[in-house]
Amino acid sequence: SYELTQPPSVSVSPGQTASITCSGDKLGDKYASWYQQKPGQSPVLVIYEDNKRPSGIPERFSGSNSGNTATLTIRGTQAMDEADYYCQTWDSTTALFGPGTKVTVL
Amino acid sequence: EVQLVESGGGLVQPGGSLKLSCAASGFTFSGSAMHWVRQASGKGLEWVGRIRSKANNYATAYAASVKGRFTISRDDSKNTASLQMNSLKTEDTAVYYCIRDSPGGPVANFDYWGQGTLVTVSS
Repeated sequence: SYELTQPPSVSVSPGQTASITCSGDKLGDKYASWYQQKPGQSPVLVIYEDNKRPSGIPERFSGSNSGNTATLTIRGTQAMDEADYYCQTWDSTTALFGPGTKVTVL
Repeated sequence: EVQLVESGGGLVQPGGSLKLSCAASGFTFSGSAMHWVRQASGKGLEWVGRIRSKANNYATAYAASVKGRFTISRDDSKNTASLQMNSLKTEDTAVYYCIRDSPGGPVANFDYWGQGTLVTVSS
């Protein structure tokens, strides 16, 4: 079965760039989405179809997807960006999520 | 404003049944596919299944872990989606989210989430 892998944690200093990777076999041939989840809250879509931002998502969030890796990049990271981030793709008719990456803003 | 409000969660014994409901508002419910995703405490997200619109024959799909035990349905006249859960196991304990499938696009995206309802399977 298809699986996605993510690093368990990423640390970043305020104002710096955080990169979160999501790996899967030929993931670049599929579409990747990213979801942000803060403690006690429902997830929020931050990137869809590899690199599109929903309305209301700050421009500092961007995405890319090529080869076996999709990447979520947060430029000028702010304290409010501290959260868990999940990548997601589709394998036929099944939605798959990565295990999540905890982003800590130090 | 899009709103999704889940209800029906609670405590149920292993082997029991429970039905969750999702009341939708703020968008054309009948034209949208709806999904359910669950999250065990302290764990990641797991897609449960989806139901498409009438235009897509109300087609359903399920995760392997729930197939044959869970059934998703919808009532477009009431703007409501439901998740019927049978033969519940302790590993089904989780917060269950109702989600709207963003309209258009080449693939489904989960653009609006409800607040979730907690299902606890325990004796």
